[in-house]
Amino acid sequence: QQQVKQSPQSLIVQKGGISIINCAYENTAFDYFPWYQQFPGKGPALLIAIRPDVSEKKEGRFTISFNKSAKQFSLHIMDSQPGDSATYFCAATGKETSGSRLTFGEGTQLTVNP
Amino acid sequence: NAGVTQTPKFRVLKTGQSMTLLCAQDMNHEYMYWYRQDPGMGLRLIHYSVGEGTTAKGEVPDGYNVSRLKKQNFLLGLESAAPSQTSVYFCASSYTGGWNQPQHFGDGTRLSIL
Repeated sequence: QQQVKQSPQSLIVQKGGISIINCAYENTAFDYFPWYQQFPGKGPALLIAIRPDVSEKKEGRFTISFNKSAKQFSLHIMDSQPGDSATYFCAATGKETSGSRLTFGEGTQLTVNP
Repeated sequence: NAGVTQTPKFRVLKTGQSMTLLCAQDMNHEYMYWYRQDPGMGLRLIHYSVGEGTTAKGEVPDGYNVSRLKKQNFLLGLESAAPSQTSVYFCASSYTGGWNQPQHFGDGTRLSIL
């Protein structure tokens, strides 16, 4: 059972455009939502994270928007660059989650064309 | 400072063979994790450890065993490899006590079972 659903599976945008990736979760005990970025041949690396006490978090060109009532959160990449081409994973965990385990979404393969 | 190192990087096995994947971290992290990554399914947790000498089952533990004899090492074993275990395996670690601590990933082991 996939507790975190991610869409779209793949995304192609032009350089300078906005990339938007969406995630939805089911477990109301989740209270920490990180995004990981993975380049080909490499392991995922933490990109940005949010807690549900805020509705938005911005770091440079990357912004997480969070809607607690809808149990949804999204990643926006402004002014997308070819170097942003990677696979992006949303994830979720919580204070009560055994071992601080992360539940990951299915992943989105982003391609930014020059 | 190497971070999380996985050995080997690639391996081809025949059905029924056994092998051990090694994960080593030099960050003095308490928690360690083994994931498998399959297309369209994100990262799924196999087993994890919250400290030396401890292990626990994740989402997809069947067919795998683990050991954490030393704090810095986390071993993943396949007793009798099956084609369904063809995947990319990632090890990760995180600092102690942190439900909101980032997980640091290795670069993966690509395993093919023929």
